Amino acid sequence: QVQLVESGGGLVKPGGSLRLSCAASGFTFSDYYMSWIRQAPGKGLEWVSYISNTGSSTYYADSVKGRFTISRDNAKNSLYLQMNSLRVEDMAVYYCARDPSPYSGAFDIWGQGTVVTVSS
Amino acid sequence: EIVLTQSPGTLSLSPGERATLSCRASQSVSSSYFAWYQQKPGQAPRLLIYGASSRATGIPDRFSGSGSGTDFTLAISRLEPEDFAIYYCQRYGSSPTWTFGQGTKVEIK
Repeated sequence: QVQLVESGGGLVKPGGSLRLSCAASGFTFSDYYMSWIRQAPGKGLEWVSYISNTGSSTYYADSVKGRFTISRDNAKNSLYLQMNSLRVEDMAVYYCARDPSPYSGAFDIWGQGTVVTVSS
Repeated sequence: EIVLTQSPGTLSLSPGERATLSCRASQSVSSSYFAWYQQKPGQAPRLLIYGASSRATGIPDRFSGSGSGTDFTLAISRLEPEDFAIYYCQRYGSSPTWTFGQGTKVEIK
């Protein structure tokens, strides 16, 4: 079935780095634009980053611009988020999500999330 | 920057009752790029409505979305036990950027 599975979360100190992965299955990954969305503990949803199906176009929220990098490997059906210079305020559950059509405005498939904890 | 404000913050209702959730945008937004999600504790969000009024695949017809401009509504005609959750509105805009409302919790009265 159509599925997204995130991994790579964990505990990191402020200023540290972490790389999240999202493995896609059940659909032709290379056809779809993808996104990362996060949710801080007890808070709402915040869009983080977005990438086109080929990886040629990428976009970031102002809160992460210059620190996070989104990428993908279509041969491996995988999406990534490289997070550098992590801050306490980056602590959240990070979800990868699929856009059903380019810039559709909605995300139809979500992973279960991976937890990122930033603490000294 | 366009802000989405959801109301009420919490809605206390009984199963079988009708729920009406509101999402107001600080500026007019395109209804083509407006969505609603449901999130239950410990789970990822689930897409309910896209394009302001189209139900996503597998979503029961008791869920309906409407609205345009700055005012959008999600209605649940008859609440089922599994509908008690948090609901988020979301819009896509130029830049591009995606913005979520702060959520409305629908709880059992």
